Amino acid sequence: QSMLTQPPSASGTPGQRLTISCSGSSSNIGTNTVNWYQHLPGEAPKLLIYASDQRPSGVPDRFSGSKSGTSASLAISGLQSEDEAHYYCAAWDDRSAGYVVFGGGTKVTVL
Amino acid sequence: EVQLVESGGGLVQPGGSLRLSCAASGFTFSSYWIHWVRQTPGKGLVWVSRINSDGRSTSFADSVKGRFTISRDNAKNTVYLQMNSLRDEDTAVYYCARGGSSGSYGLDCWGQGILVTVSS
Repeated sequence: QSMLTQPPSASGTPGQRLTISCSGSSSNIGTNTVNWYQHLPGEAPKLLIYASDQRPSGVPDRFSGSKSGTSASLAISGLQSEDEAHYYCAAWDDRSAGYVVFGGGTKVTVL
Repeated sequence: EVQLVESGGGLVQPGGSLRLSCAASGFTFSSYWIHWVRQTPGKGLVWVSRINSDGRSTSFADSVKGRFTISRDNAKNTVYLQMNSLRDEDTAVYYCARGGSSGSYGLDCWGQGILVTVSS
């Protein structure tokens, strides 16, 4: 069971726009929608984007998601210090009995 | 309030067993899939297992297949992860999380996590 591919780190200054990529395959991102999670140290992960481009209630509209083919991306516009966290993409993979595959995570640093 | 609470973690020797529980409240438990996800020290999130809403369908990560089982008691609003033949590499914080009615739904509610340490 493989992992989705994310850059290990990304950084930006307050107010900047940051984009995180997520690459998969035809059996996961190519067929199913992508979800994004924000994980702060010592806290439970939080669903940030679901169904590739939908925001749950309460998530600021600074966060947006998109998907094309077997890749997806998360954009953070107007970067804020509180956005410093790990971000993970995930998708359902249809192989075997089905499973969730996560990316390796991207650590976002606000400079 | 939608809530998931894990219990049953702790220290266990290699080769030992442990059963984690995930108690749910605040929503119609029997309508949702439940997943287990773990995070090993210094590493990312890794999916472990899932069970569908009526408990008849399950799946597992290759790394735990044959050693872990998952079950649920919808009358008690609880999911169980039975972990046997534990290895050092199973040491992690284990989270249970609520899915939807299929695998592609996002995990929209997570427990706080529980630490499992496998060590002699």
